[in-house]
Parts: sequence; structure tokens; C-alpha cells
Amino acid sequence: SQTIHQWPATLVQPVGSPLSLECTVEGTSNPNLYWYRQAAGRGLQLLFYSVGIGQISSEVPQNLSASRPQDRQFILSSKKLLLSDSGFYLCAWSHTGGDTEAFFGQGTRLTVV
Amino acid sequence: TQLLEQSPQFLSIQEGENLTVYCNSSSVFSSLQWYRQEPGEGPVLLVTVVTGGEVKKLKRLTFQFGDARKDSSLHITAAQPGDTGLYLCAGAFYSGYALNFGKGTSLLVTP
Repeated sequence: SQTIHQWPATLVQPVGSPLSLECTVEGTSNPNLYWYRQAAGRGLQLLFYSVGIGQISSEVPQNLSASRPQDRQFILSSKKLLLSDSGFYLCAWSHTGGDTEAFFGQGTRLTVV
Repeated sequence: TQLLEQSPQFLSIQEGENLTVYCNSSSVFSSLQWYRQEPGEGPVLLVTVVTGGEVKKLKRLTFQFGDARKDSSLHITAAQPGDTGLYLCAGAFYSGYALNFGKGTSLLVTP
């Protein structure tokens, strides 16, 4: 069966510090991978998606970047965090293009102080 | 631009009551999904509807996809405290790579 791992679960970082959130998927190959951000108790904003190694599409210009160094690994990064980067970050995967269900990780609660 | 509008945004009811939440759009989707999310966790898929007019039932939950594939509803019969959570709808386009999520309906069911 397929599983998705996302870590860390919580993170408190000072303004101006770097960020690296990692997500890995097991049990499937060539998944589509996604990073979403969620404001407190509200909907999901798509940040990045990837259909293959090294292929990253950005939906919203911001202080963040994403990379996919391996087929089942997706990394969200920032060189210098801003207060506005605080939020709940969710990694997800799907089998193919957007017609199919998304399976989410447990999320990372990021607080920038 | 918010493609999917969900209503109501918040709903607080007592155990045993029925409720309906809505997901509306001016766009036509190839499929629409409903997720439930509990605090501090990722959303979990409840159902996918594909055909216009389709109705799916999951125990006390009934999902309907509009005939024109632009909207959907979720009806819960005899709500229980375990139904508490954020209900998100998400639409997929034929040519799109990622789901488009609504802002969700936050449901609280009190004993």
C-alpha cells in the first residue's frame, strides 16, 4: 500500500532563517506531488506541483521554492523566512494528472517568530 | 480566484440533526471530491463523483454531483459528534494537474 511521510510535524523558526520541509512517498512510482498551504481552519492553497523529477510548477509567487531530487521525494524550501510564511503545510500525491484523488501527509505546522 | 465556493462557512448543530453543505462553481469539472479534515491532520478523501447527477452514499453521508458537473452537495443524516471537522470539496479539470479546493465548511456537532 502507498504511504506518504511528511516531517517535521511542527516547526518554530525565527524570521530570516532557512526552511526545509521534506515529503516522501512509498509504494508507488512516478506520482504527481504537491505542496499546499492552509490558513487556520480554511481551504488549501496550491503552492507547487511536480509531475516528474526536476519538474516543478509554481502556482503562487512567493518566498518559497520546491525541488524534486528523486521520484518520490519533494522538498519545500526557503532561504529566508518571513512572518507571513507561518501556516500549515501539506504535502500530497496523486497517481496521474488532476483527475484523480489526492492523498495527504499529516502536515507541518510552521510558526515563524 | 476562488473557483469553488462552499457554504455555509461554519455550521454548529446538535447531535441527531440533519444538515446539507454546498459546493458551487461556474466551472465544469471532470470530477469532484469531498474530503474531511480534523485539526492538525491532513485531509482524508471521503468520495469522488464523476458523472453529472451522480449520487453516492457513505453510511449517513449522501453526496450528489450536479447535472452540469458544476456543483455538489453533501448531506449528513443524524449527525454525530464524530462528524465534526472541516469538509472540503475539490474539483478536477480534464487538463489540469492539481485539484482546486474550496475554502471548506467547518462543522461542529455537539452532544
